[in-house]
Amino acid sequence: IQLTQSPSLLSASVGDRVTLSCKGSQNINNYLAWYQQKLGEAPKLLIYNTNSLQTGIPSRFSGSGSGTDYTLTISSLQPEDVATYFCYQYNNGWTFGGGTKLELK
Amino acid sequence: EVQLVESGGGLVQPGRSLKLSCAASGFTFSNYYMAWVRQAPKKGLEWVATISTSGSRTYYPDSVKGRFTISRDNAKSSLYLQMNSLKSEDTATYYCARHYGYNHWYFDFWGPGTMVTVSS
Repeated sequence: IQLTQSPSLLSASVGDRVTLSCKGSQNINNYLAWYQQKLGEAPKLLIYNTNSLQTGIPSRFSGSGSGTDYTLTISSLQPEDVATYFCYQYNNGWTFGGGTKLELK
Repeated sequence: EVQLVESGGGLVQPGRSLKLSCAASGFTFSNYYMAWVRQAPKKGLEWVATISTSGSRTYYPDSVKGRFTISRDNAKSSLYLQMNSLKSEDTATYYCARHYGYNHWYFDFWGPGTMVTVSS
């Protein structure tokens, strides 16, 4: 399954509601996770099984979706959220999306 | 606290071999499937290999199948990646990662990574 993330680059202001998209080439059956990777660091798990928040992750992060279309939402963007975000499917094989780089406007 | 620490990266010539190691602590290593994931410079993430809890089952994508071998030593809480016939396109940061569980194939913890550069 191939994953396409959009946009590849997103500029937003502190306090904005931000939405990142991930589209699969086939049905993912909700087996989708989201990772945050800050510059020079390893990826960090944010969301698994489409909408389950990993322990310790702020509640401003949420996930939704079904079938082939999934979304990561940050309800109120904070400066520390500047990072690249990757979606990852584990329904059929194990593949990552190309990433969305989130920067402050 | 779960910790994964990779080692063994470096500069290697095309066609040569390199073995990476990952030292795990803070959890019962033998209870978890483990994996290697890589990231080429300024690129996305690519799953490279997965191994079962006992080490009896291994999984690879076509891009590395036949060249890379994942293994583990549960007594030492260590994971390994033997990389043979290296190519320039194998240049990447290699991360050791823990699968959450069987049929829960997302990665819940990652190490900081070790850089592998394949160049003459």
